[in-house]
Amino acid sequence: AQTVTQSQPEMSVQEAETVTLSCTYDTSENNYYLFWYKQPPSRQMILVIRQEAYKQQNATENRFSVNFQKAAKSFSLKISDSQLGDTAMYFCAFTSGSARQLTFGSGTQLTVLP
Amino acid sequence: TAGITQAPTSQILAAGRSMTLRCTQDMRHNAMYWYRQDLGLGLRLIHYSNTAGTTGKGEVPDGYSVSRANTDDFPLTLASAVPSQTSVYFCASSDSGLGGYTFGSGTRLTVV
Repeated sequence: AQTVTQSQPEMSVQEAETVTLSCTYDTSENNYYLFWYKQPPSRQMILVIRQEAYKQQNATENRFSVNFQKAAKSFSLKISDSQLGDTAMYFCAFTSGSARQLTFGSGTQLTVLP
Repeated sequence: TAGITQAPTSQILAAGRSMTLRCTQDMRHNAMYWYRQDLGLGLRLIHYSNTAGTTGKGEVPDGYSVSRANTDDFPLTLASAVPSQTSVYFCASSDSGLGGYTFGSGTRLTVV
């Protein structure tokens, strides 16, 4: 069974600074996808970024980028130039070719301080 | 706007009562899922359906049942609610499964 671990329940960062959220996972699959979702107080689940395991290049979406270390099974999220609107719960998630459902980590509550 | 509609948005339910959480999608996605979200535990899969007419158990299925009579609807039923089922419930759907997930806005259920 796949597992996803987020070891940082809470983090804070000053506005305009950079912060990195950690995520590790465990799987025996070779074909899989990794995701970061953002959940603001509105409760909506918003896709931040996605990484295909077969791609060596790290995914980037504007201020959001990942550090994907396949051998170490690590998938961290870097947020650059943090903004107050980035305050949210962030979930790391995993899905593989054999199981279509997402497996989530326990989440990291990020607070951006003015 | 295309997406997933969940109802109700929130509900307070007496223990022992039954309730059905509704979920409807208009994207013709094959797969649908029910998750519960609890603080410190993230989202955990309750039940899923890879296609209309089939369902499967997730990580925490006890006390819940689902049906998938057609592509669009995937209701979740609590036959006899207990306080430990107090949670936020999310319905989701996906097309190919490897990347295209859509979530509903959630149902906050309080069992008292």
